[in-house]
Parts: sequence; structure tokens; C-alpha cells
Amino acid sequence: DTGVSQNPRHKITKRGQNVTFRCDPISEHNRLYWYRQTLGQGPEFLTYFQNEAQLEKSRLLSDRFSAERPKGSFSTLEIQRTEQGDSAMYLCASSGRQGPVLYGYTFGSGTRLTVV
Amino acid sequence: DQQVKQNSPSLSVQEGRISILNCDYTNSMFDYFLWYKKYPAEGPTFLISISSIKDKNEDGRFTVFLNKSAKHLSLHIVPSQPGDSAVYFCAARGTYSGGGADGLTFGKGTHLIIQP
Repeated sequence: DTGVSQNPRHKITKRGQNVTFRCDPISEHNRLYWYRQTLGQGPEFLTYFQNEAQLEKSRLLSDRFSAERPKGSFSTLEIQRTEQGDSAMYLCASSGRQGPVLYGYTFGSGTRLTVV
Repeated sequence: DQQVKQNSPSLSVQEGRISILNCDYTNSMFDYFLWYKKYPAEGPTFLISISSIKDKNEDGRFTVFLNKSAKHLSLHIVPSQPGDSAVYFCAARGTYSGGGADGLTFGKGTHLIIQP
């Protein structure tokens, strides 16, 4: 297993366009998380899946954002009608049943989104 | 409202000496605290965690101390090595952290620079 994989690594898009990112977690991990990190800030929680069920969404996740995890495997994060304020690093993480507290999450390298 | 605060944006320490990174929090509902390390262009990597019912946890060169009455935790790295140069994030888990059951609230990070 090569860890958490995120694609693409970089995405440049024009304002108003839709973008979709993909995350492939560690295969035996049933929990998957999306975070957003802007310059000078720590990661901010967006949403969390346990298997295919989306159990929690942050108030940061406006109605332009949607995340899915069909069949409890990979996940996608879509942003519709992108705005310049959406420019950030989008991080995906996964963990096993024990959650993050003993062994932490395993983060991917992120997708850097630039909206021009 | 920053619930997890890292007030030092950067810290410079000589190789071989002790590095002490500090973190303050405001939410008494946090039940676990974690430290992550991040290199440029990579996702954060889990270092060490501590339960709110403990006051110390040690793993090799890394020790985390928790002072619940002061709502303060610190990460000690002894001895500091050049490879420790990175951004260190303090994070907390709690039901009301805004991160849901397993979401984490991160501080803004401290850039640790180990000087030869």
C-alpha cells in the first residue's frame, strides 16, 4: 500500500468553473476525511465519511461543495462555480476504526487549487 | 474564534539542543491532542498524541506534556536534529470542536528551524 493518494496534485481553473478532486485512502481504512488548508493556516475540517456514509459536514462546506464516497472506497470532492476564495490546498486523510487519536490520520499530499 | 492557538510562527534551535513547541487551547471539551509535522509539498505526518486524562506521553525523542488547568500543551524534541526542520501543527479532537466525532481542530503551525 502506497498510502493516501490524491489526484490531481495541482489544478488551475477559471472562476465559475467546476472542479473535482479524487482521494484514494489506505485500503483497510474505513474512515476518510477532507480538510482545506489556506496560506498561513492549519488544516480546517470539511467533512468525514465512515465507509460510504457521510457522517459530518463542517459549516465551511457551502452548498457549492459536495463530497461522495461510493462503495466506501475512493472519495471525490467537487466544487461548483469556483470562487477565488476557494484557492487552497485540499487534503484528504484516512484512518482505521480507532480513529485518529492513537495513530493519527494518514494524510495525502493534497491537491493545490488555484482559481484565477 | 481560534480554539487551538500556536502563538510562535517560528522557532530556531541549535542542533543537539531541546526544541519546545507550545500550544494553547480554549475548548475544555477536547479529549485528545495530537502533534503533526509537515514538510513542504507533503501532507502532515502524525507524530504523537495524548489523551486529556494524561499529563505526559513519550515516544523516542518526542514528549508531549499536557497541563489541563492551564489549557496548554507542549512538544519537546530532544535532541533536535536537522531533519526535524519542518512546520509543526498542534491539533485537538472533541465533540464540539467543529470537526465532528473525529474531525480535528488545528493550530496555525510553528516553523521549526534546526541550525547546525
